[in-house]
Amino acid sequence: EVQLVESGGGSVQPGGSLRLSCAASGFTFSSYEMNWVRQAPGKGLEWVSYISSTSTVIHYADSVKGRFTISRDNSKNSLYLQMDSLRVEDTAVYYCAKDVGGHLWPPRGMDVWGQGTTVTVSS
Amino acid sequence: SYELTQPASVSVSPGQTASITCSGDKVGDKYVSWYQQKPGQSPVLVIWQDTRRPSGIPERISGSNSGNVATLTISGTQAMDEADYYCQAWDTRGVFGGGTKLTVL
Repeated sequence: EVQLVESGGGSVQPGGSLRLSCAASGFTFSSYEMNWVRQAPGKGLEWVSYISSTSTVIHYADSVKGRFTISRDNSKNSLYLQMDSLRVEDTAVYYCAKDVGGHLWPPRGMDVWGQGTTVTVSS
Repeated sequence: SYELTQPASVSVSPGQTASITCSGDKVGDKYVSWYQQKPGQSPVLVIWQDTRRPSGIPERISGSNSGNVATLTISGTQAMDEADYYCQAWDTRGVFGGGTKLTVL
């Protein structure tokens, strides 16, 4: 079964840091581009970051650029999001999502999503 | 920055056709995907690359994209289709529409 499982969420004060992880199984992780997408409470989806299969191409939303760092370890079938200088407005459920495949740009869609991990930034 | 605009809500009677639009400047030149999200659940891809359906998505769900509007069409709408729907495309970055709540009356 194709599966993504996020972890690492929690509560943190403004200015703090968290590292999210996404464990992939059931598919050849190293062959697919990956994304992080977030959803603030009661709000819509917001794309956060994209990483190519070989980590050579990385993109960030303007709202997180310079504060968040996406990375992956294909030997561990894992995707990461290092979040620094966290703000109240970063409070959200964070999802990792798999690209449909084909190493295409622009991407065509995200076909597998994890269950999400909750990040709360509050003083 | 690039923006995608969706109606906040769409209502439809059971068995009728629901159309959810996603407007953006020359969105027809981009690839649009659509996601269904039910309360408390993760999003599910229902359309990718404008018109393609993932396995397991019924044929009554379809997509189109031309000019400045992409459209998700659900024919023979059922109660199980009641959900939030989001369009998504890529400019220099990924962009989601604001989402549309589909109500099946």
